[in-house]
Amino acid sequence: EEQLVESGGGMVQPGGSLRLSCAASEFIFSGYSMNWVRQAPGKGLEWVSYINSGSGTIHYADSVKGRFTISRDNAKNSLYLQMSRLRFDDTAVYYCARGRPGNLMDVWGKGTTVTVSS
Amino acid sequence: QLTQSPSFLSASVGDRVTITCRASQGINSDLAWYQQKPGGAPKLLISAASTLQSGVPSRFSGRGSGTEFTLTISSLQPEDFATYYCQQLTTYPPFTFGPGTKVHIK
Repeated sequence: EEQLVESGGGMVQPGGSLRLSCAASEFIFSGYSMNWVRQAPGKGLEWVSYINSGSGTIHYADSVKGRFTISRDNAKNSLYLQMSRLRFDDTAVYYCARGRPGNLMDVWGKGTTVTVSS
Repeated sequence: QLTQSPSFLSASVGDRVTITCRASQGINSDLAWYQQKPGGAPKLLISAASTLQSGVPSRFSGRGSGTEFTLTISSLQPEDFATYYCQQLTTYPPFTFGPGTKVHIK
């Protein structure tokens, strides 16, 4: 079964940094674009970042541009999100999601929780 | 930008339920629907406005094009109580989701 497993979440102080990882299995990771999507407590889904299969096209939501960096290692079947200058409003569950053409998100991980608190 | 109505819906098992998603500009049929159960990850239900994903029960259906879209559950089942999100796939980035419609038991 195609699977995505996020890790790396935790509690961090405002201004701090954190690196999230997403491990893919049972599909050809290098053939798909990938996304990070987050959900603040009690709120809806917010797309955060996109990377295409070869890392040649990257997009960010305005809310994280300049602070977050998406990357991937196709040899390790892994997706990453380096988060810096974290703010209280970055507190959320962060999901990685596979993208099909048009960026239809058809496989999702269970999420990892990031809490920004002093 | 996407809007959904209603934002909250109370219904009984067996009810027919319709959720509407409206786009601020025409997006052809480039719309998807996702289901999210409490504490769970989103699940893709429908792509291209009306294409049911493999394994999704046939009581779910999607219609629409341009700026107005609907997700209908023909006979609500206990496992359908969840929050439903639409997502536009035409103008990106950002890959915008709608604000969600929470369906709960009456």
